[in-house]
Amino acid sequence: DGGITQSPKYLFRKEGQNVTLSCEQNLNHDAMYWYRQDPGQGLRLIYYSQIVNDFQKGDIAEGYSVSREKKESFPLTVTSAQKNPTAFYLCASSIGPSTGELFFGEGSRLTVL
Amino acid sequence: GQSLEQPSEVTAVEGAIVQINCTYQTSGFYGLSWYQQHDGGAPTFLSYNGLDGLEETGRFSSFLSRSDSYGYLLLQELQMKDSASYFCAVRDWAGTASKLTFGTGTRLQVTL
Repeated sequence: DGGITQSPKYLFRKEGQNVTLSCEQNLNHDAMYWYRQDPGQGLRLIYYSQIVNDFQKGDIAEGYSVSREKKESFPLTVTSAQKNPTAFYLCASSIGPSTGELFFGEGSRLTVL
Repeated sequence: GQSLEQPSEVTAVEGAIVQINCTYQTSGFYGLSWYQQHDGGAPTFLSYNGLDGLEETGRFSSFLSRSDSYGYLLLQELQMKDSASYFCAVRDWAGTASKLTFGTGTRLQVTL
């Protein structure tokens, strides 16, 4: 079955550590996105990529980094510069940049101890 | 930048109809989407309006008025399983890049 796989599902890290969240899709989608969701809040866009080797900052990119070396993969690194990283992270993809339909992974819940 | 406004909470009785409104401000508007999210889960796509008018998918309908920067999601024959958060999201273009920006969500509680 085609879909988006995020790992790990739960992650704990100590302050000052970088952590990388994995996102892989086998839907052959061109566009991929990372969102952050805090309890009771909406989704805020961190980074997005429309094609391989290209990505743009979203609304809250500070303290995060991404790469898009392959069409299928869009990993997100939460760096120690991110002041409040505890959150639910969602990866999504879409066929192209013009569609309103995103397909989401199951999310990664990061807790900083 | 973009801004979207939707009510924070709505309560309705099982079997009833509920409408969730969304107003937006953005440049380069391309379309309005709606998503459902149950607690602890990922959002799932419900509908997309690229043009003015009504789109119907089963018990759910979505409406867009581009001139009013306004849309709504209509849920009919409410069921308990419809209790969830509902998000509107705008697709817009900034230069050569397109992104989807979400509202803060409306929590729908369906009661007996």
